[in-house]
Amino acid sequence: NAGVTQTPKFQVLKTGQSMTLQCAQDMNHNSMYWYRQDPGMGLRLIYYSASEGTTDKGEVPNGYNVSRLNKREFSLRLESAAPSQTSVYFCASSEMADTQYFGPGTRLTVL
Amino acid sequence: AQSVTQLGSHVSVSEGALVLLRCNYSSSVPPYLFWYVQYPNQGLQLLLKYTTGATLVKGINGFEAEFKKSETSFHLTKPSAHMSDAAEYFCAVRGDTGRRALTFGSGTRLQVQP
Repeated sequence: NAGVTQTPKFQVLKTGQSMTLQCAQDMNHNSMYWYRQDPGMGLRLIYYSASEGTTDKGEVPNGYNVSRLNKREFSLRLESAAPSQTSVYFCASSEMADTQYFGPGTRLTVL
Repeated sequence: AQSVTQLGSHVSVSEGALVLLRCNYSSSVPPYLFWYVQYPNQGLQLLLKYTTGATLVKGINGFEAEFKKSETSFHLTKPSAHMSDAAEYFCAVRGDTGRRALTFGSGTRLQVQP
């Protein structure tokens, strides 16, 4: 099993450009999450999806949109990237309230 | 709302010494508590978790943690550090029944000196 996969691994954008981060899981989990990791701040929740067809805002949703395409896939879109969105982005999945499994991350730099 | 405080952003120990990483939490409901480890340029990997039952929890790689409700703590320990333990460690809490996402502490970077 691949677990949670994320693409791309690295990305450099210019201010104002858009992009979509892709996440997929093969564990048949209902819940999926997007976090961002910044130095000294741990991981902060951007959006989550408790089940297919539902999404909700997390702690830091501004500037992002998400799509739960199906049970496996949960994408994160930056419509107009800003330097403040330079970060490492992690996708995670879980079954009910149990352990979250994390992908390898996407390192995004916005110039 | 829940929160997590990790005391010490950097901890340095000698190989073979005790590892103690501190975590205090706040939660309005009985918490589920987690420790994750992150090796350089990798995602997070679960070390151990507490949900209910026994308050001393054993995890992978010789780590354990004890849930102390009276102290609102969930400190991570390992009797003897190994060079391969050098990584960043995150404590997290899931205590709100409406949202299943985790609230993370800011992390503790563990250095192991030879």
